[in-house]
Amino acid sequence: DTGVSQNPRHKITKRGQNVTFRCDPISEHNRLYWYRQTLGQGPEFLTYFQNEAQLEKSRLLSDRFSAERPKGSFSTLEIQRTEQGDSAMYLCASSGRTGSPGYTFGSGTRLTVV
Amino acid sequence: GIQVEQSPPDLILQEGANSTLRCNFSDSVNNLQWFHQNPWGQLINLFYIPSGTKQNGRLSATTVATERYSLLYISSSQTTDSGVYFCAGASGSARQLTFGSGTQLTVLP
Repeated sequence: DTGVSQNPRHKITKRGQNVTFRCDPISEHNRLYWYRQTLGQGPEFLTYFQNEAQLEKSRLLSDRFSAERPKGSFSTLEIQRTEQGDSAMYLCASSGRTGSPGYTFGSGTRLTVV
Repeated sequence: GIQVEQSPPDLILQEGANSTLRCNFSDSVNNLQWFHQNPWGQLINLFYIPSGTKQNGRLSATTVATERYSLLYISSSQTTDSGVYFCAGASGSARQLTFGSGTQLTVLP
């Protein structure tokens, strides 16, 4: 197992465009989380999946953001009509079933909106 | 949601020195984890420690759940220990972690 994989590593987009990020968790992990991190801050929670069900969404996740996890495997995070304030590192983490709750993070996708 | 406070915000050490990082929580947590973010941005899980003490090499952590704080000890620090250390917790039925703002550690050769 190669850990949590995120693609792309970097994304530069023009304001108003849509972007989509992908996360492939550790295969035996059933929980998947998306976080956003800006410079000098800790990661902020965006949303959480258990298998294919989206169980929790932060109020940070405006209606321009949508996340999916079809079939409980990989997940995608889409941002529509990007704004400069969306520029950040988007991090994905996964964790296992009860008894193995430690998070494993991917390397992140750095989004720059120009 | 819970509030997480970390101290100190910045720490500069000479190689070989020891250090203690602290994390306070506003409420009881049942899931507490420590992470190291290296200079390339990768977050590495150091400990899952909702209570008690754990050790891994030069690192150890202690959580006193009843007093809502956790400590991370780094002994004989090395330049590769540099980076940002985050603690994060979850309370009640929440699965998602709330992160502190981190301690920026710089170890000088």
